[in-house]
Amino acid sequence: NAGVTQTPKFRVLKTGQSMTLLCAQDMNHEYMYWYRQDPGMGLRLIHYSVGEGTTAKGEVPDGYNVSRLKKQNFLLGLESAAPSQTSVYFCASSYSVVALSDTQYFGPGTRLTVL
Amino acid sequence: AQKVTQAQTEISVVEKEDVTLDCVYETRDTTYYLFWYKQPPSGELVFLIRRNSFDEQNEISGRYSWNFQKSTSSFNFTITASQVVDSAVYFCALTLILTGGGNKLTFGTGTQLKVEL
Repeated sequence: NAGVTQTPKFRVLKTGQSMTLLCAQDMNHEYMYWYRQDPGMGLRLIHYSVGEGTTAKGEVPDGYNVSRLKKQNFLLGLESAAPSQTSVYFCASSYSVVALSDTQYFGPGTRLTVL
Repeated sequence: AQKVTQAQTEISVVEKEDVTLDCVYETRDTTYYLFWYKQPPSGELVFLIRRNSFDEQNEISGRYSWNFQKSTSSFNFTITASQVVDSAVYFCALTLILTGGGNKLTFGTGTQLKVEL
């Protein structure tokens, strides 16, 4: 099993450009999440999905969109990138038996720089 | 509101020293889970341990041990006989149930541990 994978690993964008980050998991997990990690701030939840075809906003959703067309994939889109979106993006997934105790497993991260 | 505080920004120790990483949390929930994750220099987040709010037994796993005290809202992590490979950022996190399902991890800001020879 590859676990949680993320594509690409690194990306540099110019302000106003768009891009999509891809997250894939092969663990048959129901729940998937996108976080961003900024220096001194820990990780913050952007969007999440509780199953195929569903998405919901986390604590910092502005400027991002997501889609979960297939259970194993969770896409994060930036329509018009801004320098404030320079960050490391992590995808995570979990298998829901009892949601409160779910352990989230993380991908390797995508380092995004917006100039 | 939930909050996780890791007051130690950076700790430096010499190899073979014991080191304790502090974590203090705030929540109004009576049932919750706490986690520790490790982020080595390579950048990935590695799950270390999960503890529920009903179980205050300390846990030991090899050189790692965890001390959960509900009375002080603390979930501290100790590495015994530290090694250079333990150098990483360590995050404490608290779960919150999300509307419609799933859980959200509220992370602390992390403690950078440097173990030197």
